[in-house]
Amino acid sequence: EAQVTQNPRYLITVTGKKLTVTCSQNMNHEYMSWYRQDPGLGLRQIYYSMNVEVTDKGDVPEGYKVSRKEKRNFPLILESPSPNQTSLYFCASAYIPAGEQFFGPGTRLTVL
Amino acid sequence: DAKTTQPPSMDCAEGRAANLPCNHSTISGNEYVYWYRQIHSQGPQYIIHGLKNNETNEMASLIITEDRKSSTLILPHATLRDTAVYYCIADYNNNDMRFGAGTRLTVKP
Repeated sequence: EAQVTQNPRYLITVTGKKLTVTCSQNMNHEYMSWYRQDPGLGLRQIYYSMNVEVTDKGDVPEGYKVSRKEKRNFPLILESPSPNQTSLYFCASAYIPAGEQFFGPGTRLTVL
Repeated sequence: DAKTTQPPSMDCAEGRAANLPCNHSTISGNEYVYWYRQIHSQGPQYIIHGLKNNETNEMASLIITEDRKSSTLILPHATLRDTAVYYCIADYNNNDMRFGAGTRLTVKP
């Protein structure tokens, strides 16, 4: 089944403790991206990647890192999480940049 | 800020067509109009997209005005499962996907 998977789905952590949210797609898509969703603010793009080893900042990249060493994986790294990064995070992928994006199920992160 | 404006909420009777409007008066010539929907806190689901011509697929129809400053998403026979937040987005290559607040569509029995 074609899908985008994220892990973990739920995470509660404390300020400053480094964490990684994994994202993987099995559709051989070149394009992948990360979004966060907060009440009243809709989805905002954090980072995106057009292909392996190519990443670019979205609207709200501060406090996040990404890497794209393999086509299928696009992990989101929070080196020193803070409470304002408490949010619902979505990973997405697309075959071509201007095409349909497939979204993962989301990761609900709480930073205490 | 999103490059599109949508009404915050709409109601539709089950079985009737749902027509969701979107204004994108500042859209540029190479930007597509995308529609996604989100049910509760699930990942957004792609519905349809278009550039200039009207488009139709198994889920919906997209009507884009000739001047491309607005569009309408049509769900021809709305069901209760179509209750969701619908997002209209204007973007060229997915690097500026601004979802905004969307329209909360409630389909009523």
